[in-house]
Amino acid sequence: EAQVTQNPRYLITVTGKKLTVTCSQNMNHEYMSWYRQDPGLGLRQIYYSMNVEVTDKGDVPEGYKVSRKEKRNFPLILESPSPNQTSLYFCASSLRLGGSGYEQYFGPGTRLTVT
Amino acid sequence: AQTVTQSQPEMSVQEAETVTLSCTYDTSESDYYLFWYKQPPSRQMILVIRQEAYKQQNATENRFSVNFQKAAKSFSLKISDSQLGDAAMYFCAYRRGDYNQGGKLIFGQGTELSVKP
Repeated sequence: EAQVTQNPRYLITVTGKKLTVTCSQNMNHEYMSWYRQDPGLGLRQIYYSMNVEVTDKGDVPEGYKVSRKEKRNFPLILESPSPNQTSLYFCASSLRLGGSGYEQYFGPGTRLTVT
Repeated sequence: AQTVTQSQPEMSVQEAETVTLSCTYDTSESDYYLFWYKQPPSRQMILVIRQEAYKQQNATENRFSVNFQKAAKSFSLKISDSQLGDAAMYFCAYRRGDYNQGGKLIFGQGTELSVKP
């Protein structure tokens, strides 16, 4: 089954404790992104990757890091989480080529609370 | 910069009736795509419908259709014969036609749709 998986699904942590949210896709997609969803703001792109070892900042990258060492995996790293990073996080992937605006496949979301 | 605006934070519809969700966007690009996503309580993001900007014909998917007004930069979603399972948050989203920024989607604020039995 084609899918994007994220782990963990729920996480409560304390300020300053480093954490990693994993993302993996089994569709051989080149493009992968991380979004955060906040009430009244919709989803906003944090970071994206266009292929292995190619990553770049999205619209809200402060406080986050990513890496893309393998095509299928795109972890999101919070080195020193703060309460303003409490949010719902989504990983998404898509094909690079596609004439119809190829669909972005979203993971199930990770609810992060930083106290 | 491109923006997407959904001015209706909440909408309500009676089961079996029709409801229209509004979306406006701003862009200077000529090549782009527009989407409606559904987010039920499970939080999963589900693609409802997609519209290519170069196509004049409005997209339809079963009970879902759009009214794409390119000059007005308007992209509304019509849900016909509403069902209880349609209750969800709906997001309008925009994507540039090129493949920069990893196919970044720009989302509106969302509209929470409730369906009354």
